[in-house]
Amino acid sequence: EEQLVESGGGLVQPGGSLRLSCAASGFSFSSYTMSWVRQAPGKGLEWVAKMREDGNEIYYVDSVKGRFTISRENGKNSLYLQMNSLRAEDTAVYYCVRGGARYFAFWGRGTLVTVSS
Amino acid sequence: QSALTQPASVSGSPGQSITISCTGTSSDVGGYNYVSWYQQHPGKAPKVMIYDVSNRPSGVSNRFSGSKSGNTASLTISGLQAEDEADYYCASYTSTSTLVFGGGTKLTVL
Repeated sequence: EEQLVESGGGLVQPGGSLRLSCAASGFSFSSYTMSWVRQAPGKGLEWVAKMREDGNEIYYVDSVKGRFTISRENGKNSLYLQMNSLRAEDTAVYYCVRGGARYFAFWGRGTLVTVSS
Repeated sequence: QSALTQPASVSGSPGQSITISCTGTSSDVGGYNYVSWYQQHPGKAPKVMIYDVSNRPSGVSNRFSGSKSGNTASLTISGLQAEDEADYYCASYTSTSTLVFGGGTKLTVL
């Protein structure tokens, strides 16, 4: 059974940092583009970042460029999102998603990040 | 990276058909056949219902169908059922190799 399990969310102060992790199982992780998508409380979905299967192509939404870094370890079936200089507007549920080359095929349950003093 | 435009809400009675529109530009919806649609029930993760404009993943009911004309894509749900009540989002690949979502549409089954 395919699974994506996010971890690392929590409460952080403005300007702080957080590292999200995503553990994948049940499929060939190293064969897929992976993405992070977020959803602010009561709001819509926003694509955040994606990384191709070989790590050679990385893209970010403009609002996180220079602050967030996506990475992956194919040998550990893991995806990461390093988030620095966090702002209140980064408060959201962050979903780890298989896909992002053309569409988002499979989603984790998400982890909540709250940026507040 | 402007969001695609969807109606905030649509409604229909059980058994009826509804259509949700998703309008973008020639740099996203109109430029590629990479439009997808997602269903999200409250408190749940989204689920892909349509990909590449009109393809249904395995396990998705054939009551869901997608199409595109110019810069506007559409999701049609026929034979509305109570369990279809949810939020629906479109998404498209863009000319900058990124992806963009629509603002979402709340479907109410009357």
